[in-house]
Amino acid sequence: NAGVMQNPRHLVRRRGQEARLRCSPMKGHSHVYWYRQLPEEGLKFMVYLQKENIIDESGMPKERFSAEFPKEGPSILRIQQVVRGDSAAYFCASSPLAGSQETQYFGPGTRLLVL
Amino acid sequence: QKEVEQNSGPLSVPEGAIASLNCTYSDRGSQSFFWYRQYSGKSPELIMSIYSNGDKEDGRFTAQLNKASQYVSLLIRDSQPSDSATYLCAVLVLSGGYNKLIFGAGTRLAVHP
Repeated sequence: NAGVMQNPRHLVRRRGQEARLRCSPMKGHSHVYWYRQLPEEGLKFMVYLQKENIIDESGMPKERFSAEFPKEGPSILRIQQVVRGDSAAYFCASSPLAGSQETQYFGPGTRLLVL
Repeated sequence: QKEVEQNSGPLSVPEGAIASLNCTYSDRGSQSFFWYRQYSGKSPELIMSIYSNGDKEDGRFTAQLNKASQYVSLLIRDSQPSDSATYLCAVLVLSGGYNKLIFGAGTRLAVHP
């Protein structure tokens, strides 16, 4: 059973470009979460998605950031017009169910560097 | 007050000693608690989950939960240099009708030979 897959593992963008980060959850998992981690800081929740639905995007900046989890294919975190402050590690996690004993498993992350 | 608080460390222990990592949380209704280990430049890895008061042991790791004190800890026995990492405490809280995992900032553990 393959784990959570993320690609690319490293992404370099210039200011103003777009960044697209992909996440394929573990087989059988229908819940996807995106987190951002700045250097030397903890994980900050960004968005929670189920297939074709955004459940909670309270941790995502209102502008430039969007996320989707289509019926087919991976979840995508999209950052438009990137700025240097977007440089961070972006982790995706998935879980098989939502409930009181939900366990999230993390992908390897995408490290975004904005020049 | 932060929802999940951890001492940032670094916590330095000699090889073979017991490392004790602590975490407090603010939501009294929380029912599920997790410890993740994160090596530098890597992703978080789940090492323990605990749901009821008391101790839960898994190999060299013991998680302890005290819901009355809103306190969860992780003990690592016979610490090894390979245990050197950041340990993240995570608490499942009910928010907006569903459960959300809230992370502490992590405690850096350094095990020296």
